[in-house]
Amino acid sequence: AQSVSQHNHHVILSEAASLELGCNYSYGGTVNLFWYVQYPGQHLQLLLKYFSGDPLVKGIKGFEAEFIKSKFSFNLRKPSVQWSDTAEYFCAVNAPRDDKIIFGKGTRLHILP
Amino acid sequence: NAGVMQNPRHLVRRRGQEARLRCSPMKGHSHVYWYRQLPEEGLKFMVYLQKENIIDESGMPKERFSAEFPKEGPSILRIQQVVRGDSAAYFCASSPDSPRPEAFFGQGTRLTVV
Repeated sequence: AQSVSQHNHHVILSEAASLELGCNYSYGGTVNLFWYVQYPGQHLQLLLKYFSGDPLVKGIKGFEAEFIKSKFSFNLRKPSVQWSDTAEYFCAVNAPRDDKIIFGKGTRLHILP
Repeated sequence: NAGVMQNPRHLVRRRGQEARLRCSPMKGHSHVYWYRQLPEEGLKFMVYLQKENIIDESGMPKERFSAEFPKEGPSILRIQQVVRGDSAAYFCASSPDSPRPEAFFGQGTRLTVV
């Protein structure tokens, strides 16, 4: 069965710090990978997605993620965070032959002004 | 193009009552997913439906929970005889017919059982 592991449950950073959130998945075949963000009191929004091609994916709001197949990882990065990035971030995986999308437990990011 | 619409946004039920949560997918989307979100537990997959069919209900509790997605109308998640442990945020997502699903989420329904 597929699973997604997010290593950090809570991350606290100061503004302008660099961010990297870890995500590992377990599935041996081809996968689609996603990062979603949930701002306080809001629904999930797609930050970026990887289906195929360039393993370095650029998303909205300056976020990017790198797919490393050999490490089963899809880490999320941002060079310089802002206070408005305070939110919960979810990594998700989908195996094309298994239509459901599996989410990690989320990482709560708190940016200090 | 309206997004995924869920209603109600907030639902309060007494123990033993029934809760009905509705989800209207985005126009043109025929795939619906239901997830439950509890604090510190992330999003737990419950059920995946296509029009008139339940494709995967491996995340649904065996009793009291059911879901449907009729040919006409919204998808319904139904919880019978609610208990305090059912209190959670329930999110619906939809995706189009595609080999590469990208899920679009609704605002969620926050169920409180008192």
